[in-house]
Amino acid sequence: DTGVSQDPRHKITKRGQNVTFRCDPISEHNRLYWYRQTLGQGPEFLTYFQNEAQLEKSRLLSDRFSAERPKGSFSTLEIQRTEQGDSAMYLCASSLAGTVVREQYFGPGTRLTVT
Amino acid sequence: DQQVKQNSPSLSVQEGRISILNCDYTNSMFDYFLWYKKYPAEGPTFLISISSIKDKNEDGRFTVFLNKSAKHLSLHIVPSQPGDSAVYFCAASATSGTYKYIFGTGTRLKVLA
Repeated sequence: DTGVSQDPRHKITKRGQNVTFRCDPISEHNRLYWYRQTLGQGPEFLTYFQNEAQLEKSRLLSDRFSAERPKGSFSTLEIQRTEQGDSAMYLCASSLAGTVVREQYFGPGTRLTVT
Repeated sequence: DQQVKQNSPSLSVQEGRISILNCDYTNSMFDYFLWYKKYPAEGPTFLISISSIKDKNEDGRFTVFLNKSAKHLSLHIVPSQPGDSAVYFCAASATSGTYKYIFGTGTRLKVLA
């Protein structure tokens, strides 16, 4: 069990550019979540996948954001036409469905800076 | 609309003493709660959980207490160690299709040697 991994750890981009982040969940976990965290706040839910199906999207996820989990394993989060307000830590978490415990395990995050 | 609140932004405690971190919630549908510890530039690390069918859960130096009538939970760390210095988040979820978590804004704990 190598835990949740995210790539890249840091991304600096210019306003208007597109960026894509990757998350590899714990291998047997079928639930995958994306959260966003800004300074002084707790993580905020963005979207949720069970296997390959995207089952919920937060209203925080504007049309410029898209997420996929094509084979029910890794997931990508793409931000198009980035804005300075997109600067944040993007966190991925995974958990196992079908159990009474509901812990989510987080990756190290991708820190996005939009200049 | 902050459904999960951590009203103390920071807390300082002497090494060896008890640290008590508090969390309040407003949504009566929340039935599962987690505490996370976070160091700078890292993702949150899961510490301990509690289901609404319990009022206490203990794991080593960490104990979480849940008072459903008051919609309040607390994390006790005994004894506190300098390595416990971090930001602590409580998070709550309801039984639903997604089991997404709503997080508080965190409490920065500093354990003084």
